Amino acid sequence: NAGVTQTPKFQVLKTGQSMTLQCAQDMNHEYMSWYRQDPGMGLRLIHYSVGAGITDQGEVPNGYNVSRSTTEDFPLRLLSAAPSQTSVYFCASSYGQGPGDYGYTFGSGTRLTVV
Amino acid sequence: AQSVTQLDSQVPVFEEAPVELRCNYSSSVSVYLFWYVQYPNQGLQLLLKYLSGSTLVKGINGFEAEFNKSQTSFHLRKPSVHISDTAEYFCAVTSYNYGQNFVFGPGTRLSVLP
Repeated sequence: NAGVTQTPKFQVLKTGQSMTLQCAQDMNHEYMSWYRQDPGMGLRLIHYSVGAGITDQGEVPNGYNVSRSTTEDFPLRLLSAAPSQTSVYFCASSYGQGPGDYGYTFGSGTRLTVV
Repeated sequence: AQSVTQLDSQVPVFEEAPVELRCNYSSSVSVYLFWYVQYPNQGLQLLLKYLSGSTLVKGINGFEAEFNKSQTSFHLRKPSVHISDTAEYFCAVTSYNYGQNFVFGPGTRLSVLP
């Protein structure tokens, strides 16, 4: 089925460990982004990309890296996990240069716990 | 800067009753407004959106919302809710001036009671 695929669905990390959250879409969307969802705070933008080779920071980028080598993939890297990064992470994509016209297509999320 | 306020964190309502979920936004430029729904353990799905034109917007599953520029509001309504509408609802705002990135509200948890 076409859409946004996130892996893994669940992950437990120890403080200081690194990992990569994977995101892939097969809709040829130019725009991709990563959000984190925390109780009572809605979704906050971490990083986004308007096309292959182009990335930029969102509202809460510290502790995270991204790259966009292909249109399809937009991985999120945690460099040195901290308990404050315990959250649910969503990848989202959109047609064109952003979601303003068409809205986002969201993945099903990755629930990350850092102990 | 843009911001979104959803004053009600939780809304309990009985089945077949009407419901209104409130959303207010703050922006210095023209905005696009969206409502998303998140069912338990799932990603977000688009309910409806306002880009321009008619201020009354109809979405999926019988939901509608009305854009009120003077009150900077975009409240979501449904005349008769079902158990299956139990979910969390997020209001979001964006604009071309904001690079089309969304600002989400904190969410409202709708609980439909039998």
